[in-house]
Amino acid sequence: DTGVSQDPRHKITKRGQNVTFRCDPISEHNRLYWYRQTLGQGPEFLTYFQNEAQLEKSRLLSDRFSAERPKGSFSTLEIQRTEQGDSAMYLCASSPAENSVKYFGPGTRLTVL
Amino acid sequence: GQQVMQIPQYQHVQEGEDFTTYCNSSTTLSNIQWYKQRPGGHPVFLIQLVKSGEVKKQKRLTFQFGEAKKNSSLHITATQTTDVGTYFCAARTSGTYKYIFGTGTRLKVLA
Repeated sequence: DTGVSQDPRHKITKRGQNVTFRCDPISEHNRLYWYRQTLGQGPEFLTYFQNEAQLEKSRLLSDRFSAERPKGSFSTLEIQRTEQGDSAMYLCASSPAENSVKYFGPGTRLTVL
Repeated sequence: GQQVMQIPQYQHVQEGEDFTTYCNSSTTLSNIQWYKQRPGGHPVFLIQLVKSGEVKKQKRLTFQFGEAKKNSSLHITATQTTDVGTYFCAARTSGTYKYIFGTGTRLKVLA
């Protein structure tokens, strides 16, 4: 257990539904990342927060994806109108400083039927 | 855009043999991190390299950063069954916060 928690751990949804995932980073970490990982691939960067500011977002991310970190603590990732191609493990990571170790959470596995 | 490739994709070794995975970037890197992911688990940080030509050791693991800061390697001496997993490099270029993960090298160790 790295101290980063994610909820839910598993989510099964039907195509077209909206889903929201939550990440609670290690409390003193002000940097938070979201990644997506499919089977046999490396994690793919989605977005980065420093405190409550979203400083970088992948150009691969469609406008169906949105992330927030309203108080600079926990973060949510929402996917609207889910598609089967969204099925993946969604990983959250937190870090105490720039260019520092990232601690990954256990991930949320999304299955879109 | 930036690409990070790792070779080999898979490696099967007998316990006690050495193992090396290589990470290559199309662009000059600011720094590189290495992670290990066990089957069914999440990536776990191993090391970070920042300086050109840097070499770091952790017990049986040796990490190198190329002189041109475009490539890196991870070498494991005398592999053990506990080394099983997928090893990823994660590279960052200056001017960005994101780390691009490599394709990973999946290591299997045969007892």
